[in-house]
Amino acid sequence: GAGVSQSPRYKVAKRGQDVALRCDPISGHVSLFWYQQALGQGPEFLTYFQNEAQLDKSGLPSDRFFAERPEGSVSTLKIQRTQQEDSAVYLCASSLAGEDEQYFGPGTRLTVT
Amino acid sequence: GESVGLHLPTLSVQEGDNSIINCAYSNSASDYFIWYKQESGKGPQFIIDIRSNMDKRQGQRVTVLLNKTVKHLSLQIAATQPGDSAVYFCAENPNNDMRFGAGTRLTVKP
Repeated sequence: GAGVSQSPRYKVAKRGQDVALRCDPISGHVSLFWYQQALGQGPEFLTYFQNEAQLDKSGLPSDRFFAERPEGSVSTLKIQRTQQEDSAVYLCASSLAGEDEQYFGPGTRLTVT
Repeated sequence: GESVGLHLPTLSVQEGDNSIINCAYSNSASDYFIWYKQESGKGPQFIIDIRSNMDKRQGQRVTVLLNKTVKHLSLQIAATQPGDSAVYFCAENPNNDMRFGAGTRLTVKP
C-alpha cells in the first residue's frame, strides 16, 4: 500500500526565496506531523494536525514557517524568506490517531544557498 | 531543558553478534518510548515501543529494556545483520510532540 509521500524530494532555494513543501499522508490517517532534521541530528518536532486543525505549532522556529492542512488530508509546509539555517530535511509523518505509531515519509531535503 | 539523548554516537559490530544501543532520557514524566531506525535518504522507521508500566518488550530479533529508576532505555538487536546498519533513534512521546535523541550509527561488519 502507499505510504507517506513528500514532494519535492530535493529543493534548492536562494536565500530570501519562499518554498512550499508538500506531504501526502496515508489515506485515512487523522494525525499529521512535521519535523525538521538537521544533518547528523535527530528529527525535531515542528507542528501537529488533527484533521484540518493545527493543534500544536510550538516547534515552528519562527513566524516565517507556516503549515496548513485545509481539507484534513494533504499538508503544506511553507517557509518564507528562507535563510541558510533553514537547510535541513523536512519530514512528514502521519498516524491513525495522535498517539498511534507514526509513519514517516522520505523527507524533503532543503538546501538554502 | 529536559531532553532525550544517547550515550554513544557510533557502534560497530560484527555480523552475527548482538548489538546494544543505549539511550538516556531526563523527562521523568515520559511514559511512552519508541525506537526508530533511519537508513540513508529515508524517513525513520518504527522498530518497537514500550510504555512506562513495562520494563521489557520483545519483538522479532529486537528487545527494548526500560529502567525508570535511572531513566535509561536500551535496544538490543540479536544476530545483527548487514541490513541493520542504520542510525537508531530513541524518542519519547509525551503529548504528540515526539522528542528524538541525536541517534547512534550502527555499522555491521561482514
